[in-house]
Amino acid sequence: DIQMTQSPSSLSASVGGRVTITCRASQSINTYLNWYQQKPGKAPKLLIYSASSLQSGVPSRFSGSGSGTDFTLTISSLQPEDFATYFCQQSYSTPMYTFGQGTKLEIQ
Amino acid sequence: QVQLQQSGPGLVKPSQTLSLTCAISGDTVSSDSAAWNWIRQSPSRGLEWLGRTYYMSEWYNDYAVSVKSRISINPDTSKNQFSLQLNSVTPEDTAVYYCARYCTGGVCPHYAMDVWGQGTAVTVSS
Repeated sequence: DIQMTQSPSSLSASVGGRVTITCRASQSINTYLNWYQQKPGKAPKLLIYSASSLQSGVPSRFSGSGSGTDFTLTISSLQPEDFATYFCQQSYSTPMYTFGQGTKLEIQ
Repeated sequence: QVQLQQSGPGLVKPSQTLSLTCAISGDTVSSDSAAWNWIRQSPSRGLEWLGRTYYMSEWYNDYAVSVKSRISINPDTSKNQFSLQLNSVTPEDTAVYYCARYCTGGVCPHYAMDVWGQGTAVTVSS
């Protein structure tokens, strides 16, 4: 199975700030990488698909990049509603879609 | 707008069968550009894909190795829904269970879970 490792596991940031979350795959997954946001008690929400494509309705302050094994999710100009947990997920090794362990973004 | 609505019990006794249903609106379970998935989430296992069903001239299923001997996912075209059955449950199956659409074509984002159900918290306990 392809393992997905996110870093950091948690981080603190301020409203208006900028954060970057990293996801590393245990083998090359091309750009078959998706990012999700999850708030407490809610289902994950798709933010970015195919490593860098913004899902419809998602603010442009969210961006994704990377290919192969290393990927990043960047949130610029953090808003209060962005404080949540973020997950990466690979869809290269279908159907064994594996997720990262999550990164919890907290208000500083 | 595609929506998934989950239903099913939140408490299951050990050794019994966990059964959940996911009703689809705005799409069809027999779409040839989507696969219909069950995923669970627990503090110990994180987000874990369990299995999927999809139609491509005929019905197919795929299951995670970890539950393959105990799981069944079935489409119901008459009600436009799909179901999860997990047999012989133990407390380790306690989790929040989600259904989700995985898009493979058309106007939806490809190769991602773009629509999720609301989640069902299932506890396995006597």
